[in-house]
Amino acid sequence: KAGVTQTPRYLIKTRGQQVTLSCSPISGHRSVSWYQQTPGQGLQFLFEYFSETQRNKGNFPGRFSGRQFSNSRSEMNVSTLELGDSALYLCASSLGGSDTYEQYFGPGTRLTVT
Amino acid sequence: AQSVTQLDSQVPVFEEAPVELRCNYSSSVSVYLFWYVQYPNQGLQLLLKYLSGSTLVKGINGFEAEFNKSQTSFHLRKPSVHISDTAEYFCAVSLKAAGNKLTFGGGTRVLVKP
Repeated sequence: KAGVTQTPRYLIKTRGQQVTLSCSPISGHRSVSWYQQTPGQGLQFLFEYFSETQRNKGNFPGRFSGRQFSNSRSEMNVSTLELGDSALYLCASSLGGSDTYEQYFGPGTRLTVT
Repeated sequence: AQSVTQLDSQVPVFEEAPVELRCNYSSSVSVYLFWYVQYPNQGLQLLLKYLSGSTLVKGINGFEAEFNKSQTSFHLRKPSVHISDTAEYFCAVSLKAAGNKLTFGGGTRVLVKP
């Protein structure tokens, strides 16, 4: 079974631009979560989507948004990029349901904002 | 809100020696507990999880962890490390029946020396 894939793997953007990252979950998984990893703040939860609906949300500004499609693929968007948005963005998928817990992570997209 | 503290940011250890990585959490409700490993330039891989039942949990690659409810701890151990165990290790919690939002500790970097 193919693992979680994220595209692109690396991205360089300029302050003020916007960016869209993509995540394809493991086949049959309905939940996709996004995390931001930085040296200063560590791993922080952004949001989770399940069956095309946002189920959980972290404490990030509205510039960070996401969506999930009917095939469970997910995208996250960051508008008006700031230097502090430079990070590794990780996507994780799981079967879903209210009490499932085993998440599988993709390799991440490394975003650099200049 | 829940929180996770990993008491050691770095742990140097000699090959074939034992290692213990400490993790404490705080939460007012029941949680699931996890340990993940991250190798350089990769995503996170699940080492083991505690959901319920036996407090001693065995995971992959010879790792095990013990859940101690009274001390709110979930320490990770390996009796004999290999060079290939050099990586960063993250302890995480999620709330039961609340989706897949993981709260991570700050990570412990393990450096195995020959």
